[in-house]
Order: sequence, then structure tokens, then C-alpha cells
Amino acid sequence: DAGVTQSPTHLIKTRGQHVTLRCSPISGHKSVSWYQQVLGQGPQFIFQYYEKEERGRGNFPDRFSARQFPNYSSELNVNALLLGDSALYLCASSFVVIDRADGNTIYFGEGSWLTVV
Amino acid sequence: DAKTTQPPSMDCAEGRAANLPCNHSTISGNEYVYWYRQIHSQGPQYIIHGLKNNETNEMASLIITEDRKSSTLILPHATLRDTAVYYCIATHATGYALNFGKGTSLLVTP
Repeated sequence: DAGVTQSPTHLIKTRGQHVTLRCSPISGHKSVSWYQQVLGQGPQFIFQYYEKEERGRGNFPDRFSARQFPNYSSELNVNALLLGDSALYLCASSFVVIDRADGNTIYFGEGSWLTVV
Repeated sequence: DAKTTQPPSMDCAEGRAANLPCNHSTISGNEYVYWYRQIHSQGPQYIIHGLKNNETNEMASLIITEDRKSSTLILPHATLRDTAVYYCIATHATGYALNFGKGTSLLVTP
């Protein structure tokens, strides 16, 4: 079975532009979350979506937004890009968003590398 | 979620057991201990998780102390491909955001 897939794998943008990153969860998983990982740091939580609704948001500015589609895939949008937005953006999926008991482990994709110049 | 503390780096000889410690002294009764690892430039990979009992799977073993204030991830026969950053995370079953911290950078040497 395919794991979490993300696209694009690498991209370069200019300051002030916007970017859209895409994620397809593992088949059957209804929950998608997004993380930002700056070089040398651990991943930081951005958003959680379940059944197309935002269920959680990390400490990120309003320039960051996301949505989940009926097929449970998701997009992360970042507007007015800053140099500091350069990072690895990770998407993760799980079967459900709550009650993360056995069987509901969160699985990560390989990420999208964003460079802002 | 409870804060976890891990050593920043560790070394292990290939073929030997790698024992990675994690302190989570403020963990609450319904928080699980999860371990992930991240090989350079890749997404985090789930390894194992547990609540109270020791757990074992094809990748590793997880030993949780009786008071649940600390745990140890054991890679029984480390290989060069196990070189990675290992993250210990304490999280509620009803939570949705993982707090990765800085992890332990494990270097497996020939």
C-alpha cells in the first residue's frame, strides 16, 4: 500500500509569492496534519484536519492556511512568503484524530522542501 | 503533553545494541510514549509506542519503567542504516499534535 504522498518534493519560491503544497493520506486515513521542520530543529505542528474540518492549529501566522478535500487529501497554502518559511513541510495521516490508541499511529510522508529566495 | 528529555547525541558500534534513553517525569496516566526516527532529509518514521507495558516489534523494543517516568528504546543489533535522529514523544491518546523536541542523534559506526 502507498504511504503518505506529498508533492512537489522540492521547490524554490521568491519572497512575497505564495505556495501550495499537496498531500495524499494513506488509503482509509481520514485525518491529515501538517508540520514545518526548519533545518536543525524537530518538526513543528501547523494544522490538523479531520473529516474536512480544522481540528487544531499550531502557533503559525494567518499566512498559513490549509484545507482537506472530500477524498481526504489536503493542501497547505502559504502566502506572502518570507525567507524564514524555508523549511521541510511534512504531511502526516492517521485513521482518526482522536483516541490515538493502538492502531491509530500517525504516519509521515517524505516532505516537500521549500526554499524561499 | 508531557515534556521529554533526551541526550543530544549517542554513538553505537555496528552489531551492538543501541539503548536510547528518554526522561518523561511529568507524564500523566493516559499519555503514551511514542518513538519516531528521522533519517537525514526524510520524513519521520514511526518505530514503536507504549503506555505501561514493555513493547516489542520487528524494529525495536520499548522498555518503560514501572513509575513511567522514563523509557528506553532498544535497537537490538544496530546497523549503519539506523543512523538517524530519534524522537521520544509523550502524548495523550486524544491529542492530535506531536511535540518532537530535539531528539537524540544516533551515530552507528562500523
